Amino acid sequence: AQSVAQPEDQVNVAEGNPLTVKCTYSVSGNPYLFWYVQYPNRGLQFLLKYITGDNLVKGSYGFEAEFNKSQTSFHLKKPSALVSDSALYFCAVRDSWGKLQFGAGTQVVVTP
Amino acid sequence: NAGVTQTPKFRVLKTGQSMTLLCAQDMNHEYMYWYRQDPGMGLRLIHYSVGEGTTAKGEVPDGYNVSRLKKQNFLLGLESAAPSQTSVYFCASSYLVSSGADTQYFGPGTRLTVL
Repeated sequence: AQSVAQPEDQVNVAEGNPLTVKCTYSVSGNPYLFWYVQYPNRGLQFLLKYITGDNLVKGSYGFEAEFNKSQTSFHLKKPSALVSDSALYFCAVRDSWGKLQFGAGTQVVVTP
Repeated sequence: NAGVTQTPKFRVLKTGQSMTLLCAQDMNHEYMYWYRQDPGMGLRLIHYSVGEGTTAKGEVPDGYNVSRLKKQNFLLGLESAAPSQTSVYFCASSYLVSSGADTQYFGPGTRLTVL
């Protein structure tokens, strides 16, 4: 069975500092990995995905993620965090039927 | 282009009452999904549909039923609501892409409280 883990419930970072949100995965076969963001009282918004190819994936709002097969990780990164990046972030892995398995989520708090 | 919409946005039920949540998408997506979101548990798949007239169980289907009579609509029903079904419910839709490149697009959610 496939799964993802987000080891941090919350990440705190000062505005302007680099932001990293961690995700590790477990799948059989090729992984299809996604990051979504949820702002308060809103639905999930797609940020980026890894299907194949370049290990560094660029997405929306200045986010990027690094796929590391040997460490089975897909960490989300942003070079310089903004207060408006404060939100709940979800990592997910897709199965062969198109269904997504989500991690528990990581709350990001960016302080001014 | 409204994307994925959900009706209603909020609802309070008493134990044993029934209700139906409506999801509609205008992107001509084949796949539709119902999730529930609970604190610390991420999103869990309740039921999904790979096309009009078809439905399948997800991770947590008990206590819920679904129907997909039209391609653009996906209904989630609670026949006899229980307090354990207090949650935020999200609908999503996607194309089917064999390469795995399909992206799910989410609705704004329905906050349900069962007393």
